[in-house]
This record gives sequence, C-alpha cells and structure tokens, in this order.
Amino acid sequence: AQTVTQSQPEMSVQEAETVTLSCTYDTSESDYYLFWYKQPPSRQMILVIRQEAYKQQNATENRFSVNFQKAAKSFSLKISDSQLGDAAMYFCAYSYNTNAGKSTFGDGTTLTVKP
Amino acid sequence: GAGVSQSPSNKVTEKGKDVELRCDPISGHTALYWYRQSLGQGLEFLIYFQGNSAPDKSGLPSDRFSAERTGGSVSTLTIQRTQQEDSAVYLCASSFSRGFYEQYFGPGTRLTVT
Repeated sequence: AQTVTQSQPEMSVQEAETVTLSCTYDTSESDYYLFWYKQPPSRQMILVIRQEAYKQQNATENRFSVNFQKAAKSFSLKISDSQLGDAAMYFCAYSYNTNAGKSTFGDGTTLTVKP
Repeated sequence: GAGVSQSPSNKVTEKGKDVELRCDPISGHTALYWYRQSLGQGLEFLIYFQGNSAPDKSGLPSDRFSAERTGGSVSTLTIQRTQQEDSAVYLCASSFSRGFYEQYFGPGTRLTVT
C-alpha cells in the first residue's frame, strides 16, 4: 500500500526567510504523481505544486520549488521569501493512474510565518 | 467559473440518525473524490468516481457509508446510523481526470454527531 509521511507536524519561519517541508512516501509503482496542497485556516485546499515521477527536473512555481529524490522516495517543498499569506497547513499527496483513482495524503505540516 | 460546492456547510445530528452530504463538482470534471478529515489531521480517502462509476469502494470506513453520483455531476455521501466517531469534516474534490490532474476542493461539510 502507498503511504505518505510528513515527519514535521509544525514548522515556523521568519517572514522573507526560506523553509523546507519534508515528505517521504512508499510505493512499488514507477510512474506516479506527487503534489503539495495548501490548506489555509479557511480550510479550502488548493494546489501548490506537482511533480510527475518520470520527470527528473524538479518542479518550480514562483517562490515554491520541490526537491524530488525518486530513489530515496523523498519529495520536499521549499518556500522562498516566505510571506504571511503562506501560513497554512501543507499536505503532501501521492496518486497514480489506476481505475481506483486513489489519492493518499500525508498528515500535514502546519506552517507558521512570523512577522 | 464556479468552484466545487458542498452542502450543508455544517450538520449537527444525533447519534443513530442518517445524514446526506452533497457535492457539486466543477462542470466538465469527470473525476470526483470524497475525503474525511478529522480535527487537525490528514485526509482519509473514502471513494473516487470516474463518471458515475466508483471502481473501488474499499476506502469507505464501514457499510454504513455509501456514495453515489448521478449524471456525471452531483454526488451524495450517505452515512446511516451515525456514530460519534463519524464526526469530521467531509471534503469533496473534482478534477478533469484522475492521476496527474489537479484536484479542486470544496469548502467541506463539518459533521458533528452528538
């Protein structure tokens, strides 16, 4: 079974600094997809960034980038120039393209941004 | 366009009652997901629909839980004989298709069983 582990329940960062959130996963599949979702206190979840496992190049979206280490099954999220609006719960998620359509989410990391 | 909507936003029910939770996905999205999120916890996958079909129902916690989707659009999650451990936020998401595609989440239904 696929599992996703986020080992940091809480993280904090000073505004304008950089923070990295960790995620590891376990799978026997070779082709899959990884995501980071953000859930602000208002609770509506939105996509931050995604990565296709067959692509070696790390995905980047503005201030957000990932460090994807396929062999190590690691998928960390780096937030540069942290802003107050980045404060939220961040979830790492895994999915692969089967009929079951199952997505597996980690338990989340709560990020606090200090002014 | 309109996002994913869920109703009701909050539901308080007595133990043993049945409840129905509704999800309206984004128009044109063929994939629809239901998740359960307990307070401060991660998301527990419940079920996935491709069109009106749910190929795998093994994520549903017990036989008191059922879900259907009609017309490739609206979905309802029904919980029969609710128990206190069913209290959680139930999230619905839709996407263009499964796998790589971004899931768009609704605001959730907070269910409290007293």
